[in-house]
Amino acid sequence: DGGITQSPKYLFRKEGQNVTLSCEQNLNHDAMYWYRQDPGQGLRLIYYSQIVNDFQKGDIAEGYSVSREKKESFPLTVTSAQKNPTAFYLCASSMPATDTQYFGPGTRLTVL
Amino acid sequence: GEDVEQSLFLSVREGDSSVINCTYTDSSSTYLYWYKQEPGAGLQLLTYIFSNMDMKQDQRLTVLLNKKDKHLSLRIADTQTGDSAIYFCADLVPGYALNFGKGTSLLVTP
Repeated sequence: DGGITQSPKYLFRKEGQNVTLSCEQNLNHDAMYWYRQDPGQGLRLIYYSQIVNDFQKGDIAEGYSVSREKKESFPLTVTSAQKNPTAFYLCASSMPATDTQYFGPGTRLTVL
Repeated sequence: GEDVEQSLFLSVREGDSSVINCTYTDSSSTYLYWYKQEPGAGLQLLTYIFSNMDMKQDQRLTVLLNKKDKHLSLRIADTQTGDSAIYFCADLVPGYALNFGKGTSLLVTP
């Protein structure tokens, strides 16, 4: 099946620890995105990547880092510098021809 | 990005039509999208419309776009309890990512 997978679905970490969220797609999409969702806040863009080995900051990149070493993978690291990391994180990908974004199932991160 | 605004809540009876409204501010938007999110899940693409179109129909879904007023609506005919979810409007500005509204929670009552 083609699609976008995110793992794990639920993640718990202690305050001060870095944590990496996985996002993989087998849709052969060039562009990939990370969003953060908080209750009542909609989705906010963290980072996006239009092509391998290149990525740009979104609206709320502080405290996060990404890499794009392979077309299929776009992991997001939530660092200890992120002041309020508890949220629902969504990954998406798109083809350049249409820019239509397709989303993964999300990872809910809780920092204790 | 520019603002995308939606009303936060809508309640309808099963079998009625639902209309969810959205306004956006960026005149360079090329595509406008509607996504559906069920509890604890990712976003599911429902439909999208190109900015030079006025209307798009897809089974029970009708999208209307008034580009002059920067107003987008999603009409769901014969609304069912399974349509209860959060609906997000988003616009695409070329060279950037999507701008999302905060979502409209649709509650369908029997």
